[in-house]
Amino acid sequence: RKEVEQDPGPFNVPEGATVAFNCTYSNSASQSFFWYRQDCRKEPKLLMSVYSSGNEDGRFTAQLNRASQYISLLIRDSKLSDSATYLCVVNNFNKFYFGSGTKLNVKP
Amino acid sequence: NAGVTQTPKFQVLKTGQSMTLQCAQDMNHEYMSWYRQDPGMGLRLIHYSVGAGITDQGEVPNGYNVSRSTTEDFPLRLLSAAPSQTSVYFCASSQGIGSYEQYFGPGTRLTVT
Repeated sequence: RKEVEQDPGPFNVPEGATVAFNCTYSNSASQSFFWYRQDCRKEPKLLMSVYSSGNEDGRFTAQLNRASQYISLLIRDSKLSDSATYLCVVNNFNKFYFGSGTKLNVKP
Repeated sequence: NAGVTQTPKFQVLKTGQSMTLQCAQDMNHEYMSWYRQDPGMGLRLIHYSVGAGITDQGEVPNGYNVSRSTTEDFPLRLLSAAPSQTSVYFCASSQGIGSYEQYFGPGTRLTVT
């Protein structure tokens, strides 16, 4: 079983839409959680860390549900520039595990 | 600050050849790691280091060696290249483990024929 699973998408949404991604992880002892963004043929970059209390950064909101072992990312008022692949990342004891990514296409 | 640098950007090897992918960071980060990214599979951890002189295996270590003689450098060696090692390789560093952000290098695109 994979450590981290994501729906690969693609999610095709119009500008201004709200879109949500989920990610599940298999190890209940996982310690920290992140969303990274990766543009085509580029390196991943941190979008936000994810905390149990939930956290928000502008149009982006991340939530962690430890009981159900899933992480979510909500993007409000989508922009064309949000088009990218979003990677869910989990840390277990010095090792980082990446999901395969969810592709988002925001259309005009 | 250059951040995380990787060389080369592109490389073509023949089966059985060996080579070293270079990675350096100038942020005085303790934690460094190597990943490979294959289509549809996300990034997979090859090896990592929590500090100079300390290395450990990740998910897919077979066929690769690493060393960490300085805080700045973390080279990845392919001992005898195989077509299955055709991939994009990313090096990353972070201040530590836990909630610290990982900074990635631009990647090395490796083809083994």
